Amino acid sequence: LAKTTQPISMDSYEGQEVNITCSHNNIATNDYITWYQQFPSQGPRFIIQGYKTKVTNEVASLFIPADRKSSTLSLPRVSLSDTAVYYCLVGFLMDSSYKLIFGSGTRLLVRP
Amino acid sequence: NAGVTQTPKFQVLKTGQSMTLQCAQDMNHNSMYWYRQDPGMGLRLIYYSASEGTTDKGEVPNGYNVSRLNKREFSLRLESAAPSQTSVYFCASRGDIRNTIYFGEGSWLTVV
Repeated sequence: LAKTTQPISMDSYEGQEVNITCSHNNIATNDYITWYQQFPSQGPRFIIQGYKTKVTNEVASLFIPADRKSSTLSLPRVSLSDTAVYYCLVGFLMDSSYKLIFGSGTRLLVRP
Repeated sequence: NAGVTQTPKFQVLKTGQSMTLQCAQDMNHNSMYWYRQDPGMGLRLIYYSASEGTTDKGEVPNGYNVSRLNKREFSLRLESAAPSQTSVYFCASRGDIRNTIYFGEGSWLTVV
């Protein structure tokens, strides 16, 4: 069963840049890569999405190499409120159907 | 601006009881999903529906049934609840383009 792979956890300090990488070897040709943030007791929240190269919005950047088998979420100058679980999401074409499978998630802890 | 609405938010069941989790979206999305999230774990796909009248199994479908009643509504049924089904259940919907999906607030289910 094809899945994405992310580090289980990461630690950082306020003001630092954090990079979280997700591997997705079996990504479908036309799929986009999307990252979500989840706080305890809440549903996941959309952060950023991209197809290839680099995408930047007001909260993050997303880097995708040419082969698209991985992606890196970059959070500039994190704050305590960025402590959350981050999920990488890609669509996998399995059994002739289309399913959206979450990665295992990366638990980011931002320390003062 | 309701988005994705789930009910009930909290439920306690006895082993063997049945219940249905309701989900509705007002974004005219074709695709809808049910995920479960166990404590400290990532989201796992139970069932999904690519369009009205169609449903497909996800990663962990055993013990569940679903109904795509119409374009707006996608329900999840536990016919005979088991303690292993204690979890938080999230309903989600997705538009036809890209992977941006929108989550409900979650339904906390405890089976005793």
